[in-house]
Amino acid sequence: AQSVTQPDIHITVSEGASLELRCNYSYGATPYLFWYVQSPGQGLQLLLKYFSGDTLVQGIKGFEAEFKRSQSSFNLRKPSVHWSDAAEYFCAVGEKGYSSASKIIFGSGTRLSIRP
Amino acid sequence: KAGVTQTPRYLIKTRGQQVTLSCSPISGHRSVSWYQQTPGQGLQFLFEYFSETQRNKGNFPGRFSGRQFSNSRSEMNVSTLELGDSALYLCASSPGDRDVTEAFFGQGTRLTVV
Repeated sequence: AQSVTQPDIHITVSEGASLELRCNYSYGATPYLFWYVQSPGQGLQLLLKYFSGDTLVQGIKGFEAEFKRSQSSFNLRKPSVHWSDAAEYFCAVGEKGYSSASKIIFGSGTRLSIRP
Repeated sequence: KAGVTQTPRYLIKTRGQQVTLSCSPISGHRSVSWYQQTPGQGLQFLFEYFSETQRNKGNFPGRFSGRQFSNSRSEMNVSTLELGDSALYLCASSPGDRDVTEAFFGQGTRLTVV
């Protein structure tokens, strides 16, 4: 069965420092991969997605992610974080087939704190 | 294009009451999925509606139900509320009929049961 693992529950980085959030997935074929961000009390906002093609994906807010098939990973990166990046980040894998949120498996999330 | 709209944003209900939450998906999207999010359990899938029919269902008791209207707007209902139903309820909108899976979320409804 497909699954998503975010090994870091909570990460703290200094403002201006670089960031990498880890994500590993288990899926039989090439998956659809997503990163969502959630600010406190808000819904999930799609940061970026990978469906096929170039394995380095650019997203909104200066984020990027790299799909590495050999490592079953889809890590999220940002070269310089801002205080407004403090939020919960969810990695997700989607099954192929009809498009529906029910076909998306979410990781447990990584909470990002920013140190001034 | 307008995003996913959930109403109301906040609700306070008493144990034993029932509650109805509403979700208007992105125009043209026919799939609406509902999630419950709590600090301890994370994101849990409740059910999905597509073209007015429940297409997928999570592992929640029958107190949780939903429906979808012909304009794709969806409602979920929770009857006989329990304290443990306090959560952020999220709605996700998807096209529903393409080979590409993606979902767009609303801002959520924060339900507090007292």
